[in-house]
Amino acid sequence: AQSVTQPDIHITVSEGASLELRCNYSYGATPYLFWYVQSPGQGLQLLLKYFSGDTLVQGIKGFEAEFKRSQSSFNLRKPSVHWSDAAEYFCAVGLNTDKLIFGTGTRLQVFP
Amino acid sequence: ETGVTQTPRHLVMGMTNKKSLKCEQHLGHNAMYWYKQSAKKPLELMFVYNFKEQTENNSVPSRFSPECPNSSHLFLHLHTLQPEDSALYLCASSQPQGDNEQFFGPGTRLTVL
Repeated sequence: AQSVTQPDIHITVSEGASLELRCNYSYGATPYLFWYVQSPGQGLQLLLKYFSGDTLVQGIKGFEAEFKRSQSSFNLRKPSVHWSDAAEYFCAVGLNTDKLIFGTGTRLQVFP
Repeated sequence: ETGVTQTPRHLVMGMTNKKSLKCEQHLGHNAMYWYKQSAKKPLELMFVYNFKEQTENNSVPSRFSPECPNSSHLFLHLHTLQPEDSALYLCASSQPQGDNEQFFGPGTRLTVL
């Protein structure tokens, strides 16, 4: 069955430090890949998405993600984290339907 | 209004009440979704509508009753809920046969007493 794994439930970083959030998926073909961010009590906002082509994808708010087919991974990165980046981050996989499968999320805490 | 809107943003109801959640999208999409987000649990897909037809019901209890009168509006009618139904209910929309990107509303925070 298709699945999305975010192995880190909670990550804490200092402001200005680099960040990498991990995402692995299980799917027979190359799926559509997404990263969403959710601030407390809010809906999900799309950060970036990958369909095909260049495996390094640029998103909003200075985020990027790299698709690695050999590792079935789509990790999210940011070179320098800001306090406003504290939120929950969800990786998602789009299949050949109109559904998305979401990971369980990674909560990011940023210390000054 | 742009994007996906949800009303009310907060709702407190007793177990014997009947209430409805409303979602409206202004994106010209034809697919709409209800999700349930509980604390410390993954996002749960509840219902999917494509062109006003329900295409997915993920074994949701009958005390949740969706309605999609047109492609822009989606309702979730609630009756005789349980305290464990307290959660953030998120609505989303997308373009069918598109790139799967879903656009989310801000959610309704539901508390069942």
